[in-house]
Amino acid sequence: GAVVSQHPSRVICKSGTSVKIECRSLDFQATTMFWYRQFPKQSLMLMATSNEGSKATYEQGVEKDKFLINHASLTLSTLTVTSAHPEDSSFYICSARNLRASGYEQYFGPGTRLTVT
Amino acid sequence: AQKVTQAQTEISVVEKEDVTLDCVYETRDTTYYLFWYKQPPSGELVFLIRRNSFDEQNEISGRYSWNFQKSTSSFNFTITASQVVDSAVYFCALNSNSGYALNFGKGTSLLVTP
Repeated sequence: GAVVSQHPSRVICKSGTSVKIECRSLDFQATTMFWYRQFPKQSLMLMATSNEGSKATYEQGVEKDKFLINHASLTLSTLTVTSAHPEDSSFYICSARNLRASGYEQYFGPGTRLTVT
Repeated sequence: AQKVTQAQTEISVVEKEDVTLDCVYETRDTTYYLFWYKQPPSGELVFLIRRNSFDEQNEISGRYSWNFQKSTSSFNFTITASQVVDSAVYFCALNSNSGYALNFGKGTSLLVTP
């Protein structure tokens, strides 16, 4: 089956620093990837839609200058949290869209747990 | 606008009991897709099922079964003879195209005790 990886799985960073999270589709090409955020004991909320070769589309309330998304290739999208603050501590999950004969399928990565101290 | 409601925040059952997780959805689209995911403590989402709006057949997969009723906009999930390993948070989700981002419900935390 299709596999999506995320790196790192866990990261701790100091307040004010930036951290980059990678989302890779390992065995298929993903023209579209989605980034979700999940706070403790809450649901997944879509942050942005990342399209290969173009600018990401951000959901209302998500600061595009703080959460930089780059989708430079068909297998890799990155999310950079700039000037991180403790309130950015969360679980970040990506999903990648794969076009198959039966239509689109989405596959989720294992998530990245970010802790900002 | 789309909305998914999982009214049960937490459920606790004893092993071997049957348990049903409720999911009610709202959408104006005539074509849509419904999903169930399991999220164990590790955090990784485990895909359980996808249903499109034109397929109202109920589905059974081992101890899992799903009841899709368009008349009541519900897509309920039943675990038969629950096991401790079923303990997790379960999310119901919806989108109007299988390639679109998912709208998730708030999740139901299931605890199965020995």
